[in-house]
Amino acid sequence: AQSVAQPEDQVNVAEGNPLTVKCTYSVSGNPYLFWYVQYPNRGLQFLLKYITGDNLVKGSYGFEAEFNKSQTSFHLKKPSALVSDSALYFCAVRDDDYKLSFGAGTTVTVRA
Amino acid sequence: ETGVTQTPRHLVMGMTNKKSLKCEQHLGHNAMYWYKQSAKKPLELMFVYNFKEQTENNSVPSRFSPECPNSSHLFLHLHTLQPEDSALYLCASSQDSLAGGGWQYFGPGTRLTVT
Repeated sequence: AQSVAQPEDQVNVAEGNPLTVKCTYSVSGNPYLFWYVQYPNRGLQFLLKYITGDNLVKGSYGFEAEFNKSQTSFHLKKPSALVSDSALYFCAVRDDDYKLSFGAGTTVTVRA
Repeated sequence: ETGVTQTPRHLVMGMTNKKSLKCEQHLGHNAMYWYKQSAKKPLELMFVYNFKEQTENNSVPSRFSPECPNSSHLFLHLHTLQPEDSALYLCASSQDSLAGGGWQYFGPGTRLTVT
């Protein structure tokens, strides 16, 4: 069975600084990896995905993620964080079946 | 965000009540999902419907009963719930559950409180 781990409950950064949200995964087959963001009182919004190809994936709102097979990681990054990036971020993995497994989420707070 | 709508947005119910959550997707998708989101816990997949057929019941207690009358609508019927069922219930849809797994569009959720 597949799973993901988000080791940090919270990440705090100053506006303009780089933002990294960590995710590691475990799958038995080929990994399909995703990042979602949830703003207060809203549903989850798709940010980006890795299926195959380049290890660096670019997504919405200036976010990108790097797939690292040897470290089984898929960390989310943004070079310069904005206050509006404050939200709850979920990493998810899909194995060769169709089901998504989500991490527990990481709360990002960007201070002005 | 308006592609998947959920009603009501908030619901407070007693343990003996019967209520239903409604989800509607306007994206022409064929798969729909119910998730439970509790604080500090990963999202829990509850049910999956693909082309109106239930393809997944993730060991959900029988006090939760899903219904999918067509590919655009999904219901979650609730009865004799427990306080620990209080959570945010999210509906999602995708093109189909096989090809679209992962690229799911989520509704805003129903915040359920069981008293």
